[in-house]
Amino acid sequence: QQPVQSPQAVILREGEDAVINCSSSKALYSVHWYRQKHGEAPVFLMILLKGGEQKGHDKISASFNEKKQQSSLYLTASQLSYSGTYFCGTERDSSASKIIFGSGTRLSIRP
Amino acid sequence: DAGITQSPRHKVTETGTPVTLRCHQTENHRYMYWYRQDPGHGLRLIHYSYGVKDTDKGEVSDGYSVSRSKTEDFLLTLESATSSQTSVYFCAIATHMNTEAFFGQGTRLTVV
Repeated sequence: QQPVQSPQAVILREGEDAVINCSSSKALYSVHWYRQKHGEAPVFLMILLKGGEQKGHDKISASFNEKKQQSSLYLTASQLSYSGTYFCGTERDSSASKIIFGSGTRLSIRP
Repeated sequence: DAGITQSPRHKVTETGTPVTLRCHQTENHRYMYWYRQDPGHGLRLIHYSYGVKDTDKGEVSDGYSVSRSKTEDFLLTLESATSSQTSVYFCAIATHMNTEAFFGQGTRLTVV
């Protein structure tokens, strides 16, 4: 079952912040985040494992609340290069290698 | 960049014909995946492999079969292509579970 992402689309001005949410009705072991530019392949951003950790690099960070089966991706002081579609991918246990992705959030950054 | 190549990159085929897409990796990664991407649906898992000759179904496996006879190759076959299988197909690889997945450049398949 696909995780649910929200919002489906967001438009920001350069420098503004955004939050993208990912939720599942099933218990999760890990959550992946990827970004895809138009016409390109998805590119890995980060992975969060069961344990409620928070990760980040540069101005993009994420949290994982395993009790709520939710993850959020935070983009601060957005740059034009952040534009693209963001996907969360979930794995439900440590013994299964299935990565199930949500339907994506399209992020547009305007100058 | 991870060594992952998809072929062909573009293909147009007729309804009812068999089609095979190839994913080739030079990374010796254990896990390989096939996804399809359609507007509004994101990336949907078709089949995946966790080793040579070890495969399992994903979310949308009907009408597709896969084979992995060597670590480096993962083949996706549409036994009898239908227009609903028009899509962009992505292959991905990963070393272990719960680790970064690397995606190929995709194959755009059109069934007419």
